[in-house]
Amino acid sequence: EAGVTQFPSHSVIEKGQTVTLRCDPISGHDNLYWYRRVMGKEIKFLLHFVKESKQDESGMPNNRFLAERTGGTYSTLKVQPAELEDSGVYFCASSQEANQPQHFGDGTRLSIL
Amino acid sequence: GDSVTQMEGPVTLSEEAFLTINCTYTATGYPSLFWYVQYPGEGLQLLLKATKADDKGSNKGFEATYRKETTSFHLEKGSVQVSDSAVYFCALIPLSGTYKYIFGTGTRLKVLA
Repeated sequence: EAGVTQFPSHSVIEKGQTVTLRCDPISGHDNLYWYRRVMGKEIKFLLHFVKESKQDESGMPNNRFLAERTGGTYSTLKVQPAELEDSGVYFCASSQEANQPQHFGDGTRLSIL
Repeated sequence: GDSVTQMEGPVTLSEEAFLTINCTYTATGYPSLFWYVQYPGEGLQLLLKATKADDKGSNKGFEATYRKETTSFHLEKGSVQVSDSAVYFCALIPLSGTYKYIFGTGTRLKVLA
């Protein structure tokens, strides 16, 4: 079974540009989560999808971040415009049921110059 | 609010040494507790978990016991190997009905041959 796949693995952009991160969850997993780790600090929750619906987006930092999951399969996280403080590692995770342990992808390292 | 506190790293040990990584939490009721590990260049992998007080999670020689009296979930291993070098994250899922992980800051372990 393929794991959670994220791409790109690394993205370097300039402040003010737009970047889109993609996550492909494990097949059949209705629950998809986004997290990020900024500057070696704790990993923080961003949002939770159940199929195509946003179940909890309380961790989204501001309206420059837009997450979508059209069709309830893969998800994208767009940052527009990117700011310096958005640099970090963005993790995606999925689970079949919400109360089951989450499976994480390798993360996308985002560097804003 | 709910939180997880981990000992700061890095922790450097010689091969076959005993490992303890401290983790304490603040939460309402009895959350589920987890240890995740991130090997170099990889994503987060679930190492072990415990869902109720006095439960002991174990995997790959690692153990952690859910102690409600001390609100702790310390990670231990009797004899570490070079291959255990990684970043270890303690995490909880609160009882609030949401399924977002709350992570500690991570502890980097380096094992020397």
